Amino acid sequence: GAVVSQHPSRVICKSGTSVKIECRSLDFQATTMFWYRQFPKQSLMLMATSNEGSKATYEQGVEKDKFLINHASLTLSTLTVTSAHPEDSSFYICSARGWVTGGANEQFFGPGTRLTVL
Amino acid sequence: GQNIDQPTEMTATEGAIVQINCTYQTSGFNGLFWYQQHAGEAPTFLSYNVLDGLEEKGRFSSFLSRSKGYSYLLLKELQMKDSASYLCASMDSNYQLIWGAGTKLIIKP
Repeated sequence: GAVVSQHPSRVICKSGTSVKIECRSLDFQATTMFWYRQFPKQSLMLMATSNEGSKATYEQGVEKDKFLINHASLTLSTLTVTSAHPEDSSFYICSARGWVTGGANEQFFGPGTRLTVL
Repeated sequence: GQNIDQPTEMTATEGAIVQINCTYQTSGFNGLFWYQQHAGEAPTFLSYNVLDGLEEKGRFSSFLSRSKGYSYLLLKELQMKDSASYLCASMDSNYQLIWGAGTKLIIKP
């Protein structure tokens, strides 16, 4: 199946710093990318949806000035957590949707990034 | 409103069969997805149903009834590695996935 990579897989940072997470679709063009957050023992929560070349659409309750999303190309999206605080510590997962071999419009997930803010 | 219901936890025996049910209510419908998620990892795609009926893929099968807003994931010949959370998600009219909270499946020897 199609592959979505995410970097870094783990990051530990000090409170007040910014962290950038990259998400790449490796063998298909992602028309839409999604960013999710998952707290322990909870369901995935959609943070925002972005289409290539346009501004991201944020879900209610997600601060767009704090979680900056850039979808610069059909294979790359970035999430920047600005001025991170301990409550931002979570598992961040990106997902990419696009047309893959065989003609299916499917959604694939990256391996996730575990962010710990001290 | 939009809602996905699935059991919180299920236990089954190695080698047996287990069925995980999911009921959904979403604004519009563009398919029902099942994902597997091991602890600390991202979800991996298992199946997609958009038409009524059963889709079989190896040891895993998924069923959909659109009129009932109901789906199930059937796992046969259970293996210890199948211990994971299984997430049901419905895609709404905006092609957004609405997620259930997941069913934690515990496999016992």
